[in-house]
Amino acid sequence: KNQVEQSPQSLIILEGKNCTLQCNYTVSPFSNLRWYKQDTGRGPVSLTIMTFSENTKSNGRYTATLDADTKQSSLHITASQLSDSASYICVVTFGVQRGTASKLTFGTGTRLQVTL
Amino acid sequence: GAGVSQSPRYKVAKRGQDVALRCDPISGHVSLFWYQQALGQGPEFLTYFQNEAQLDKSGLPSDRFFAERPEGSVSTLKIQRTQQEDSAVYLCASSTRLAGGYVQSYNEQFFGPGTRLTVL
Repeated sequence: KNQVEQSPQSLIILEGKNCTLQCNYTVSPFSNLRWYKQDTGRGPVSLTIMTFSENTKSNGRYTATLDADTKQSSLHITASQLSDSASYICVVTFGVQRGTASKLTFGTGTRLQVTL
Repeated sequence: GAGVSQSPRYKVAKRGQDVALRCDPISGHVSLFWYQQALGQGPEFLTYFQNEAQLDKSGLPSDRFFAERPEGSVSTLKIQRTQQEDSAVYLCASSTRLAGGYVQSYNEQFFGPGTRLTVL
């Protein structure tokens, strides 16, 4: 079972509208949570990263929230643009060991389509 | 400077054929990761290098998968006797390492565009 669940699987919105994407995780111990944007045919690009002590983080029109108690995160996109059409992936990092790199657990993503 | 690059971008192989996928990380990045992304899914971890040392290969699905990074920069992911279930996008990512040898989980991983492998 995937330890990072995202909803909805896909979403279509009109240009200029706002939307919110959800992420629930069961990964433990939790280190940090990231949201990535992945355009079709491209690698993921980081939007935000939050540690367990942070509740919100903004990057332009993107605002991520985190509730470490309920293990939920959301990504809010304001005033959507056509270029926002992409997959948005929630990624949780766990179990950092000294001398090794962080291991990322990816959600399956939400595919967002912004239309005219 | 250039980001992470991967080649080829697309590879079509006949079942049973061996393939080699190349990753050029960002210059100076010590850590390098390989991920496998099936259609409609999120990437899944395959293996991790710190310089030339392969510190974690727990995600490699079978002994047909082999990765190397002999000089601590360019990495190659090799798949022997490809099967249809190997069809996926293979992503490479690199990241920096803090001084003193301790890799913070906060370190950003920069992804390449991926290689789309189709096994017929």
